[in-house]
Amino acid sequence: EPEVTQTPSHQVTQMGQEVILRCVPISNHLYFYWYRQILGQKVEFLVSFYNNEISEKSEIFDDQFSVERPDGSNFTLKIRSTKLEDSAMYFCASSERGLQFKQFFGPGTRLTVL
Amino acid sequence: ELKVEQNPLFLSMQEGKNYTIYCNYSTTSDRLYWYRQDPGKSLESLFVLLSNGAVKQEGRLMASLDTKARLSTLHITAAVHDLSATYFCAGTTGSQGNLIFGKGTKLSVKP
Repeated sequence: EPEVTQTPSHQVTQMGQEVILRCVPISNHLYFYWYRQILGQKVEFLVSFYNNEISEKSEIFDDQFSVERPDGSNFTLKIRSTKLEDSAMYFCASSERGLQFKQFFGPGTRLTVL
Repeated sequence: ELKVEQNPLFLSMQEGKNYTIYCNYSTTSDRLYWYRQDPGKSLESLFVLLSNGAVKQEGRLMASLDTKARLSTLHITAAVHDLSATYFCAGTTGSQGNLIFGKGTKLSVKP
């Protein structure tokens, strides 16, 4: 069964450094999302992406964040200058047609900012 | 702004018992989703509820949606240990189906 994959599984970085989290969505899916989950808390929406542009973003997704689909398969989340409070599990998700269909989540990348 | 609230947040059950998790949401949501998360793992989609009165069942889990009451329920029948996990409900906002999650219900089923 096709699945969403994410790399790395765990990333440790120093405060102020840039990180890029990578995702490979399911191949025929058209809508892509990033969510994050701070340890022990709820899952929070960050951004949705469709047709090579951001569709919607939350208040969390400020100028430090950016997303890109550099080729036909990868979907990346970049945090330009990490802060301690960016430490969280970051989940990528994809959906065949957006609203009508369920979102499939990747295994997540645990980001630790020291 | 859509807000999603679940209760209870923690639920300790004995095997064989029944219980219901409640999910209230504040404004119109086009869809209502239920996800399961095992510790340290990703989210697994359980149900997508598309319209008022929708009921879906899979094994010992049954989900329903009442859009007029802005309420969804996840009913657990004759719980078994394997159902121990955190269950999240989520509504949608925006045209792309961005999910707004509740805080989750941590379910522990004890023998």
